[in-house]
Amino acid sequence: AQTVTQSQPEMSVQEAETVTLSCTYDTSESDYYLFWYKQPPSRQMILVIRQEAYKQQNATENRFSVNFQKAAKSFSLKISDSQLGDAAMYFCAYMDSSYKLIFGSGTRLLVRP
Amino acid sequence: DAGVIQSPRHEVTEMGQEVTLRCKLISGHNSLFWYRQTMMRGLELLIYFNNNVPIDDSGMPEDRFSAKMPNASFSTLKIQPSEPRDSAVYFCASSPTGSYSNQPQHFGDGTRLSIL
Repeated sequence: AQTVTQSQPEMSVQEAETVTLSCTYDTSESDYYLFWYKQPPSRQMILVIRQEAYKQQNATENRFSVNFQKAAKSFSLKISDSQLGDAAMYFCAYMDSSYKLIFGSGTRLLVRP
Repeated sequence: DAGVIQSPRHEVTEMGQEVTLRCKLISGHNSLFWYRQTMMRGLELLIYFNNNVPIDDSGMPEDRFSAKMPNASFSTLKIQPSEPRDSAVYFCASSPTGSYSNQPQHFGDGTRLSIL
């Protein structure tokens, strides 16, 4: 069965600095998608970034970028120039042809002013 | 465009009562997903529909839970009878296509359910 692991329950970053959140997954599939979702205290689930497994190029969305290592089954999220509004829970998620989103346990990001 | 709309936002009820959670999909979307979020189990998929048809309900915890799509834009998740362990945040999400694709799921704001 596919699993997603986020080993950092909580991370802290100084405003304007860079932080990297880790995610590993396990699958026997070769074709799948990976996502990072943000959940602020308002509890909305907001899509931050997504990566297609068949693409070697790492996805980027403004200050957010990923480091996708397919062989290592690793999918980390880098947030540059951290802002107070980035404080939230971040969930890594996996989806394959079953069309189910499988989520990690989440990482709480604290941003220090 | 309106996003996925869930109601109610909060629900508090006593054990044994019937609970109905509602979800309106984004216009044009034809896939619907119900998730449950708890501290112990995190985010887990309960059931998903494609074109009003349940495709996978393997995540539905037990017979007390049922979900329906009476039409293409609306879904309900019902718990009868409710128990304190059902307390959680329930999310609905929709997606524009039922086939495997990279279309992301768009989430509603969730319903926080508390069973006393």
